[in-house]
Amino acid sequence: DVKVTQSSRYLVKRTGEKVFLECVQDMDHENMFWYRQDPGLGLRLIYFSYDVKMKEKGDIPEGYSVSREKKERFSLILESASTNQTSMYLCASRKLAGDYGAGELFFGEGSRLTVL
Amino acid sequence: GDSVTQMEGPVTLSEEAFLTINCTYTATGYPSLFWYVQYPGEGLQLLLKATKADDKGSNKGFEATYRKETTSFHLEKGSVQVSDSAVYFCALRRISSYKLIFGSGTRLLVRP
Repeated sequence: DVKVTQSSRYLVKRTGEKVFLECVQDMDHENMFWYRQDPGLGLRLIYFSYDVKMKEKGDIPEGYSVSREKKERFSLILESASTNQTSMYLCASRKLAGDYGAGELFFGEGSRLTVL
Repeated sequence: GDSVTQMEGPVTLSEEAFLTINCTYTATGYPSLFWYVQYPGEGLQLLLKATKADDKGSNKGFEATYRKETTSFHLEKGSVQVSDSAVYFCALRRISSYKLIFGSGTRLLVRP
């Protein structure tokens, strides 16, 4: 069974703390993504990585950075957490296909971050 | 830019009722279209997809037809069950793009 695992389901952090969200996939997928999910806004892309050590900004990268040192792991970093980063964070992965990916995105269960 | 618009929820239905969740899109060219479903406490999973005009995607009794002329991809099911209660997301992806663009999601609640 395919699996995308996010390290923490629930986190509570204080303003200004550095936060790491980890995501691991066991499917040998090239592409990995970080989205945030907010009510009424759907999913918005923060960053994606099309392969190891490769990354590109999504639609809302401000305040975030990412790291992809190994193919199976994609980390999202909040350098200095702020209250407006309270959200549900979803990691996803996808096998690279000929047309940049007609294939399915596989999602983790999400990490709900609260910044106080 | 590209965008997806879904009907606002929540949609509340009785078991065995007919379901339609509207989805329209704005995109250049011929995007691929998707419906994802998120059950309570879980991540999203692909429900169905269509990659060209007039294609019909189907899965688990759900169907959606890619209508280029109306730029729509409405989700339908003839008889919903309580277990279909979830949030449904419409999404598009342009060819040669890595990015999947999601709508805001529609919550469906099915009552026994």
